[in-house]
Amino acid sequence: NAGVTQTPKFHILKTGQSMTLQCAQDMNHGYMSWYRQDPGMGLRLIYYSAAAGTTDKEVPNGYNVSRLNTEDFPLRLVSAAPSQTSVYLCASRWDRRNYGYTFGSGTRLTVV
Amino acid sequence: QKEVEQNSGPLSVPEGAIASLNCTYSDRGSQSFFWYRQYSGKSPELIMSIYSNGDKEDGRFTAQLNKASQYVSLLIRDSQPSDSATYLCAVNWALNSGNTPLVFGKGTRLSVIA
Repeated sequence: NAGVTQTPKFHILKTGQSMTLQCAQDMNHGYMSWYRQDPGMGLRLIYYSAAAGTTDKEVPNGYNVSRLNTEDFPLRLVSAAPSQTSVYLCASRWDRRNYGYTFGSGTRLTVV
Repeated sequence: QKEVEQNSGPLSVPEGAIASLNCTYSDRGSQSFFWYRQYSGKSPELIMSIYSNGDKEDGRFTAQLNKASQYVSLLIRDSQPSDSATYLCAVNWALNSGNTPLVFGKGTRLSVIA
């Protein structure tokens, strides 16, 4: 099993551009989430999905997701802003509250 | 407001000592508690989970949970320089559906000095 795979690992984006961060897992986990991590701020939840076809959000502005199947959970930055410069972490887990997440290796995004 | 609080540190302990990391949470109905270790430049990795009051031991790690005090801790015995990392506390909040995201604290940076 590859676990949780995120691409790209690094990217520089210009303000106003859009891009999609890819996340895929091969563990048949129903639950997937996107977090961003900034220095001194810990992990902040952006979006989560309890199953294919469902999504819910914590941070509504500037991000969008889709969950068309179990494996993939891409995060789209609609019109990038410098405030979205961060490390983005994708995670998945089994559909039971007592299971912890498995994290991907992250995407380090810089918006200039 | 769902909150998970940790002392940011740094917490410095000598090699071989016991490191004690603490975490408090705001929602009394929380069900599951997790400790993650994160090395600099790497993603978090799960090291302990605990669901019931009391202690849970795994090798050099012991997680302690006190739901009445809304407090969870992680003890690392015989601390090694390789334990130097940021430790994140995470809580699964109770909702009717059971499908809830984890909420993380900001982490405590641990430094084990040889």
